[in-house]
Amino acid sequence: GENVEQHPSTLSVQEGDSAVIKCTYSDSASNYFPWYKQELGKGPQLIIDIRSNVGEKKDQRIAVTLNKTAKHFSLHITETQPEDSAVYFCAASKSSNYKLTFGKGTLLTVNP
Amino acid sequence: NAGVTQTPKFQVLKTGQSMTLQCAQDMNHNSMYWYRQDPGMGLRLIYYSASEGTTDKGEVPNGYNVSRLNKREFSLRLESAAPSQTSVYFCASSPRVALREQYFGPGTRLTVT
Repeated sequence: GENVEQHPSTLSVQEGDSAVIKCTYSDSASNYFPWYKQELGKGPQLIIDIRSNVGEKKDQRIAVTLNKTAKHFSLHITETQPEDSAVYFCAASKSSNYKLTFGKGTLLTVNP
Repeated sequence: NAGVTQTPKFQVLKTGQSMTLQCAQDMNHNSMYWYRQDPGMGLRLIYYSASEGTTDKGEVPNGYNVSRLNKREFSLRLESAAPSQTSVYFCASSPRVALREQYFGPGTRLTVT
């Protein structure tokens, strides 16, 4: 089955810096890649997603890039703020079964 | 809209006891999912329901049963709880399974002693 590896497991940045989280996937048939943000004590919240027909997608300070050849995708957060502190999860899915396979998460801490 | 709601928020069970976790969504979504989240393990799919009237096993279905009661509600049952089922359980829904955009509830923290 699909395997999603996520790095780093923890990331600490200063407010205003950029943060990058990377994921690799194993199944070349995967074609949908969402990112979720989970704040303490809450459920994961979808923040951005990308489908395999595009290489990059942006939404204000958040962007996701996809390299299908290398089977990896990344989350980029610019001008980080303390409220960006949370656990971020990547996931991958393919059309044949629609299930999401999640990475193990990255704890992002933004220091004021 | 309340989105996805889950009850209870917290529960403590003794080994061998049974319970049902409830989930409801008011977004008119067709697909619903149950996940468990354990430290360092990410989210793992237990069961899902692509549409009303259908259910399928996910990655870790052993020890669980589900019921898609109607379009809004999807329940998860533990027939005989075990300490290994201590976890945080999340319900999610999606407009339709092909879209794959899933929206999560706040979770139920379950402890089995």
